[in-house]
Amino acid sequence: NAGVTQTPKFRVLKTGQSMTLLCAQDMNHEYMYWYRQDPGMGLRLIHYSVGEGTTAKGEVPDGYNVSRLKKQNFLLGLESAAPSQTSVYFCASSPHGTNYGYTFGSGTRLTVV
Amino acid sequence: QQQVKQSPQSLIVQKGGISIINCAYENTAFDYFPWYQQFPGKGPALLIAIRPDVSEKKEGRFTISFNKSAKQFSLHIMDSQPGDSATYFCAASGGTGANNLFFGTGTRLTVIP
Repeated sequence: NAGVTQTPKFRVLKTGQSMTLLCAQDMNHEYMYWYRQDPGMGLRLIHYSVGEGTTAKGEVPDGYNVSRLKKQNFLLGLESAAPSQTSVYFCASSPHGTNYGYTFGSGTRLTVV
Repeated sequence: QQQVKQSPQSLIVQKGGISIINCAYENTAFDYFPWYQQFPGKGPALLIAIRPDVSEKKEGRFTISFNKSAKQFSLHIMDSQPGDSATYFCAASGGTGANNLFFGTGTRLTVIP
């Protein structure tokens, strides 16, 4: 049982480059989330999805786009990377929303130079 | 505006001692209070959670104490072990929305032998 799998685990981008982070879950969860984690700031919600084909903005959505074409996958895109997007990105899923435990992936460490 | 305030930022405890991490909130609509544990290089994992109908919940060496009137809750780790060294996040959520789980900024716990 893999849970939540994130790829890649590490990536270095040059300013202005684009990339897509992939999140896959095998628990048939409806809700999926993308967070970024920065020192001293905890976890901040970027975008989320309440089901296949749906997406919504979180607390810090600027510079990111997402898609959920299949229930098990949630993609996070950076169209034009900036140094301020250097962070550790975590994907999470939940069966029914915020009042239930989240399952997190192991993260993607992204550095934008 | 930080919805959940967590302290301390870092904590050093001797093996066998008690680790205490505190969190406070303002939104009285919150009705679910989970704690997450994160080891270096890993994603956060749900450790223990409480709902406001009880004042305390214990799971092994981990206890959540909840004070509804003070709008505070805390994590106590009894007989702390070096293997407990990790970052701990409190969180709070309420209502039926999909994006209303708010995390504290985290506490880095180090248990020294």
